[in-house]
Amino acid sequence: DSGVTQTPKHLITATGQRVTLRCSPRSGDLSVYWYQQSLDQGLQFLIQYYNGEERAKGNILERFSAQQFPDLHSELNLSSLELGDSALYFCASSPPLGVAGPGELFFGEGSRLTVL
Amino acid sequence: DAKTTQPTSMDCAEGRAANLPCNHSTISGNEYVYWYRQIHSQGPQYIIHGLKNNETNEMASLIITEDRKSSTLILPHATLRDTAVYYCIVRAAIQGAQKLVFGQGTRLTINP
Repeated sequence: DSGVTQTPKHLITATGQRVTLRCSPRSGDLSVYWYQQSLDQGLQFLIQYYNGEERAKGNILERFSAQQFPDLHSELNLSSLELGDSALYFCASSPPLGVAGPGELFFGEGSRLTVL
Repeated sequence: DAKTTQPTSMDCAEGRAANLPCNHSTISGNEYVYWYRQIHSQGPQYIIHGLKNNETNEMASLIITEDRKSSTLILPHATLRDTAVYYCIVRAAIQGAQKLVFGQGTRLTINP
């Protein structure tokens, strides 16, 4: 158990719909990261937040957005869903540097999204 | 972040040592070497990291060459549960900017 909690674990929806994935980081971790992993594809970095502010952006579509709230939990919003958005979405968190090594990431178990 | 090169796949017999190589010839002086693994469809799991010196923990050992251009992850007594994709990643440790960029990794299969 990494200490990172993601909900829901599984989600099935239709094309054109909108969903929200939620992530609770480990206690004390300020950074949250979102990754997408499509079937048989690698892990693609989407976006990172640090203490409520966006810090890095990867290959995140304009239809996707994220935010980190004052209690440090994060949500990833996916809208106008397409079949190709079906994937595993992972959230990770990391502690401030110096707290536990040079900032290794701790990953949740993922949210599996299926778009029909 | 420096680019890494890993073999696409490797096999190892159960109970033997699994040695996974990684080339990172463009690594900078302030970049660490990290290893993660992903067991089928689970969240990636941190294994070990190092900067210059060799490192060992309860999971594995990390051997970094003196010029830091390559490294080897060693699983001393591989078990079937070690079958996974192993990722070697190099990046600097910068406060608030610690994203990991995953490559394709090495698919390690442990055979009975």
